[in-house]
Amino acid sequence: GAGVSQSPSNKVTEKGKDVELRCDPISGHTALYWYRQSLGQGLEFLIYFQGNSAPDKSGLPSDRFSAERTGGSVSTLTIQRTQQEDSAVYLCASSRQGGVSDEQYFGPGTRLTVT
Amino acid sequence: GQNIDQPTEMTATEGAIVQINCTYQTSGFNGLFWYQQHAGEAPTFLSYNVLDGLEEKGRFSSFLSRSKGYSYLLLKELQMKDSASYLCAVKYNTNAGKSTFGDGTTLTVKP
Repeated sequence: GAGVSQSPSNKVTEKGKDVELRCDPISGHTALYWYRQSLGQGLEFLIYFQGNSAPDKSGLPSDRFSAERTGGSVSTLTIQRTQQEDSAVYLCASSRQGGVSDEQYFGPGTRLTVT
Repeated sequence: GQNIDQPTEMTATEGAIVQINCTYQTSGFNGLFWYQQHAGEAPTFLSYNVLDGLEEKGRFSSFLSRSKGYSYLLLKELQMKDSASYLCAVKYNTNAGKSTFGDGTTLTVKP
């Protein structure tokens, strides 16, 4: 079956512009995660959606970052007034139910470059 | 915090065995995952441990000691394609759905 997909695969934007990154999770997966990964670094947690529960936004680095998940499926991560330090690969992942033993399935990521 | 500690880099020879360690804070521990990430690609799941002991999957095995807050990933009969970053991720019972990732260990396999 189809895996997690993300679009665009690459995005170059000018400092100060807004960007939207999209994630399509695996069908039927109720849990969805956003991470940021800078070059050579580990995964930085951003936000976590589980079913109809309020999202865990504890990892969002500033109020310029927001995310939504419509209809329990597709998610959009929005970065307003982008800064150069926002340049990174943004990874989306989904898991079946966000349960303790559920592994995460990752998308290919969106490489964001802010010039 | 819930620091996950792994060595930054390791180098090993093709055909050899390598052990990648991960230590974590034990309070509230609820499960540990290992993921493999090749350069420029997304992480993929390797293993899951929640009970003490060794889980074996072909050339890869993962070990857990809950009391010591310690895990390792053991890779046998190393192949060049095993060159990748290996990420340790822990779930805590404060938020069972969310994993805390270590910074990863970059393994280079040399001929």
